[in-house]
Amino acid sequence: SQQGEEDPQALSIQEGENATMNCSYKTSINNLQWYRQNSGRGLVHLILIRSNEREKHSGRLRVTLDTSKKSSSLLITASRAADTASYFCATERANNLFFGTGTRLTVIP
Amino acid sequence: KAGVTQTPRYLIKTRGQQVTLSCSPISGHRSVSWYQQTPGQGLQFLFEYFSETQRNKGNFPGRFSGRQFSNSRSEMNVSTLELGDSALYLCASSLEFSGNTIYFGEGSWLTVV
Repeated sequence: SQQGEEDPQALSIQEGENATMNCSYKTSINNLQWYRQNSGRGLVHLILIRSNEREKHSGRLRVTLDTSKKSSSLLITASRAADTASYFCATERANNLFFGTGTRLTVIP
Repeated sequence: KAGVTQTPRYLIKTRGQQVTLSCSPISGHRSVSWYQQTPGQGLQFLFEYFSETQRNKGNFPGRFSGRQFSNSRSEMNVSTLELGDSALYLCASSLEFSGNTIYFGEGSWLTVV
């Protein structure tokens, strides 16, 4: 069974708006990674955040981690049509990556 | 630096056949893991190899197997294919699985008819 869940399952926004996706997980983790997947393609790594970190930035991306609530969020600022994709969080435990169910983001030009 | 390379990208097999998928990790990476992605089950872990040793295995039947060679390249095999094995199979590599960024290939699309 999958470790986590993303919320919402689908999100549709206008270009230029911000998009926020949330991820919840069930057990203690070493780190959490966010990935993007364009339709039918492989996963592209976005950000890794370690369990002792609370926030991390990369370009237009901001990831937060709250280990007490077992949750993480991914914020994409000033979204672009090219950001249209599915976004997954993945938690690592015992040499295994557990993926969430994913959020399908559509950015309308 | 070349990324994770998977071959073949697309293949069609008949029920009962077997299939072998190949993965070349990023140079210097010793951990290779495999995942199955289907619309119904999402992304599921198959197995992870490090230095030719399988360290972890997901909840899949014994028809799914894999191996890693001394150059870190990996193959996975599915025998006696079933319709439900139709999926995108993703390979990923990292320096060492734990605590490191895990990079994925483009995947191999398997259709079983």
